Amino acid sequence: GIQVEQSPPDLILQEGANSTLRCNFSDSVNNLQWFHQNPWGQLINLFYIPSGTKQNGRLSATTVATERYSSLYISSSQTTDSGVYFCAVENTGGFKTIFGAGTRLFVKA
Amino acid sequence: DAGVTQSPTHLIKTRGQQVTLRCSPKSGHDTVSWYQQALGQGPQFIFQYYEEEERQRGNFPDRFSGHQFPNYSSELNVNALLLGDSALYLCASSPGRGAGYTFGSGTRLTVV
Repeated sequence: GIQVEQSPPDLILQEGANSTLRCNFSDSVNNLQWFHQNPWGQLINLFYIPSGTKQNGRLSATTVATERYSSLYISSSQTTDSGVYFCAVENTGGFKTIFGAGTRLFVKA
Repeated sequence: DAGVTQSPTHLIKTRGQQVTLRCSPKSGHDTVSWYQQALGQGPQFIFQYYEEEERQRGNFPDRFSGHQFPNYSSELNVNALLLGDSALYLCASSPGRGAGYTFGSGTRLTVV
């Protein structure tokens, strides 16, 4: 099955800093999503991005499907950005969504 | 517009018991997937339901079963509970293939 690797596993930032989170996947995918899981467990959809680049405020994401990776860029980080960021892909020819292990982000005030 | 609704939010069960978790998808969504998330890990796919049928299943034993109703809502049933079944159970819905998933807040199951 598809393998999804996220890096770095843990990240500590000072408020105001920028960061890039990476997601590598081992095979072609139908779609790719980035989620933010808050401390209460709620998964918030950030981007649905099977290819190309999207921006939403301080967040942007890029997926290069031919090179099997996606990146999430966070600019001017805030303490409320803390939490776990997950990349999830859906396999081609199937209906299974596979999550990476996540990047745990802590933003210090 | 209500999102994905899951019930109950928390549940404590004893080993060997059975549990049923419920999910109402977002309005306009007809596909429901279930996930198990152990502490400190990413969600693991259990199965997906579409048109009241299980369309795909992950690597979970037959103790895990589900159902989808004509109104697209869904249930997850787990029989013969084990301590290792303690986890956050997440439901996600989608309007169709090629669209993203919206997640509910989850049911936190503790097996004692």
